[in-house]
Amino acid sequence: QVQLVQSGAEVKKPGASVKVSCKASGYTFSNYFIHWVRQAPGQGLEWMGLINPSGGSSTFAQKFQGRVTLTRDTSTSVVYMELSSLRSDDTAVYYCAREAVDTTLVHDYWGQGTLITVSS
Amino acid sequence: QSALTQPASVSGSPGQSITISCTGTSSDVGNYNLVSWYQHHPDKAPKLMIYEVTKRPSGVSARFSGSKSGNTASLTISGLQAEDEADYYCCSYARSSTYVFGTGTKVTVL
Repeated sequence: QVQLVQSGAEVKKPGASVKVSCKASGYTFSNYFIHWVRQAPGQGLEWMGLINPSGGSSTFAQKFQGRVTLTRDTSTSVVYMELSSLRSDDTAVYYCAREAVDTTLVHDYWGQGTLITVSS
Repeated sequence: QSALTQPASVSGSPGQSITISCTGTSSDVGNYNLVSWYQHHPDKAPKLMIYEVTKRPSGVSARFSGSKSGNTASLTISGLQAEDEADYYCCSYARSSTYVFGTGTKVTVL
């Protein structure tokens, strides 16, 4: 069955970086983009960016340009989201979700979420 | 890219129908038939309910339906049930492979 399994919760200090993983299984890795979405406490969902696992190209929301890096390891079907220069308002649950490359089916499967807490 | 605008809350009694609006601009909702809707219960991952404005994924109840007119998309829940109580978010494609979510709507079943 399709699964997106994310790495565990982390606590980071302001100014540090964090790298969250999203391991895909149960489908052909290259056939689906991976999106990253976050939800800060008491806030709504916020789209961050996506990566095409096939070629590695990525796009980002303007807000995250230059601070988010998306990479993938096709040998293990894992996508990584690295967020740098962390601030307290980056405290949030981070989700990965997939989108079919060749159809309009978007965000049909999600990871379980990873809580990132930024605190001094 | 600004968040799409949704009402903060919508409520209804069991069996009733409710509609949640999602207002964007001509750069997102108005320009693409790529609006999706998600149900989000606390401490769970969001669940896709509607994609491409009107399409329901396999397994989603027919009580959920979507539509769009101009820059505003809508999600209608018919025959409201207690289990429908959750937060709902819209999302739209917004050019150059970027997306934007709505502000979210809390649905309460009275």
